[in-house]
Amino acid sequence: QKEVEQDPGPLSVPEGAIVSLNCTYSNSAFQYFMWYRQYSRKGPELLMYTYSSGNKEDGRFTAQVDKSSKYISLFIRDSQPSDSATYLCAMSGQGAQKLVFGQGTRLTINP
Amino acid sequence: NAGVTQTPKFQVLKTGQSMTLQCAQDMNHEYMSWYRQDPGMGLRLIHYSVGAGITDQGEVPNGYNVSRSTTEDFPLRLLSAAPSQTSVYFCASREDGNSGNTIYFGEGSWLTVV
Repeated sequence: QKEVEQDPGPLSVPEGAIVSLNCTYSNSAFQYFMWYRQYSRKGPELLMYTYSSGNKEDGRFTAQVDKSSKYISLFIRDSQPSDSATYLCAMSGQGAQKLVFGQGTRLTINP
Repeated sequence: NAGVTQTPKFQVLKTGQSMTLQCAQDMNHEYMSWYRQDPGMGLRLIHYSVGAGITDQGEVPNGYNVSRSTTEDFPLRLLSAAPSQTSVYFCASREDGNSGNTIYFGEGSWLTVV
């Protein structure tokens, strides 16, 4: 079983829809939770970062962490065609040198 | 500010050949790492370094060597290329070992081994 599981999609939604992306994990030591966005033929870039449990909002993006369920989510409101990309969840433990990534979900927003 | 720079962008190798993927960062970051990205597998850590002269293995180190003689550079060497090493390779850097700090990725190097 992989430490981090992420539905690879692909996911296709109409412009303006609310998008929900999710990851589950098995390692209870994970404390840092990130979402990276990766455009085609580009490197990943950090989109959202959350420490421990709770919610974090940044514009149209909201990250949620539920450590009791070992479940994290990224919500995109009022989705735009420019949001079309692959979204990768990543996490690590306190003092850990390594990030563990999910498989990535390919998202397409249709105009 | 260039950030993390990788070369080459694309490379085709024959089985058994060796080559080096170059990575340089200009942010004075202590921590650097190499990942490979394969369909359905996400990003997997190959090797990482927490400072000049210090390297360690990640999840998939076999067939790869690294060295860190300077803070800026972290080359990845393929000793004898195999088709299983066909992948996209990303170099990344972070200010230090603090898990909460942002990791910055390069643009990627597309490698095909035939």
